[in-house]
Amino acid sequence: KQEVTQIPAALSVPEGENLVLNCSFTDSAIYNLQWFRQDPGKGLTSLLLIQSSQREQTSGRLNASLDKSSGRSTLYIAASQPGDSATYLCAVRRSGYSTLTFGKGTMLLVSP
Amino acid sequence: DAGVIQSPRHEVTEMGQEVTLRCKPISGHDYLFWYRQTMMRGLELLIYFNNNVPIDDSGMPEDRFSAKMPNASFSTLKIQPSEPRDSAVYFCASSLVRDTEAFFGQGTRLTVV
Repeated sequence: KQEVTQIPAALSVPEGENLVLNCSFTDSAIYNLQWFRQDPGKGLTSLLLIQSSQREQTSGRLNASLDKSSGRSTLYIAASQPGDSATYLCAVRRSGYSTLTFGKGTMLLVSP
Repeated sequence: DAGVIQSPRHEVTEMGQEVTLRCKPISGHDYLFWYRQTMMRGLELLIYFNNNVPIDDSGMPEDRFSAKMPNASFSTLKIQPSEPRDSAVYFCASSLVRDTEAFFGQGTRLTVV
């Protein structure tokens, strides 16, 4: 059974810092990995989708990396802003499956 | 497209009542997923459909839960009878084909008192 762990569970940083969120998964036979953002009381917004054949995916100030063999992904946020405050969720899709297995998220607070 | 649309956004009901949650997927998407989010367990898959056909309902917690997809643009998740432990946020998501990016609705926050 695939398990996804996100560390840290919560993170508080001052505005302008670069930061890294971590995601690990137990079964390396994944098809792709998706990072989401969730604002309080809202739905999930897809940030990045990284295929198992890729090592990196970038969108603006966000960069996701994937090391399938070690079961790890990181989400790098450059020059953090208060508007980045949210919960960030990592989800993996196993090869041959349509569904996502989620981590419990990292709650990020960026202070002005 | 307006994205995945769920209704209602909030539902408060008394224990024992029937609850129906609704979802309209993104037009053209062949896959529809129902997830439940709680503080304790995070996001968990309940059931998913492909071309309106239920494929995997192993995540449905009990027979009290049922889901239907009568056509490509509409799905319901029903709980009958509801219990306080069903209180959670229920999300619907859709994707174009099997292994592509999933798009989520805003969720329905269910409170059973």
